[in-house]
Amino acid sequence: QQQVKQSPQSLIVQKGGISIINCAYENTAFDYFPWYQQFPGKGPALLIAIRPDVSEKKEGRFTISFNKSAKQFSLHIMDSQPGDSATYFCAATLYSGAGSYQLTFGKGTKLSVIP
Amino acid sequence: DTGVSQDPRHKITKRGQNVTFRCDPISEHNRLYWYRQTLGQGPEFLTYFQNEAQLEKSRLLSDRFSAERPKGSFSTLEIQRTEQGDSAMYLCASSDRENVQFFGPGTRLTVL
Repeated sequence: QQQVKQSPQSLIVQKGGISIINCAYENTAFDYFPWYQQFPGKGPALLIAIRPDVSEKKEGRFTISFNKSAKQFSLHIMDSQPGDSATYFCAATLYSGAGSYQLTFGKGTKLSVIP
Repeated sequence: DTGVSQDPRHKITKRGQNVTFRCDPISEHNRLYWYRQTLGQGPEFLTYFQNEAQLEKSRLLSDRFSAERPKGSFSTLEIQRTEQGDSAMYLCASSDRENVQFFGPGTRLTVL
């Protein structure tokens, strides 16, 4: 059972455009929603994160929009640049009760920003 | 560089062999996680350490897998009798806070 569904699988955006990646979750016990950026051959790097009591968070060109009632959240990349070309993962954390805050990831979106 | 480091970065082995990976977390991070990432998928949780105690293991962690974190510092992940299905990127992450996890570059395992 996939608890975090991500779309689209791939995305091509022109330089300067807006990239939008969407995620939906099922488990209402999730309490933290980070986005990670991954370049080929590298580990995921934390980009931006939001808690469910906030509807929007902005850091530079990156914005998370969160809709708790719809159980959906999205990443917007403004003024997309070729250097943003990477795979983006949405994720959600759940306190397990045993001490861990394990991450559940979506399947990823491969973003290509073309000049 | 004070980030999470992993060694080796790449490992090629034959089916049936044992392999061991090492993770060095960010200094003073008491929480350490292992994840596995297959091609085209997001990372999946394998196991969690708080200091030296292994507090949680995923169902993905079969009995061929074992992890340790002696003295609460570096961690090792061993896979015995490797199978082709074990081919994946093995990622380590560390944390000093509840939710924020920092990942290492991963070890890519190829089982022939």
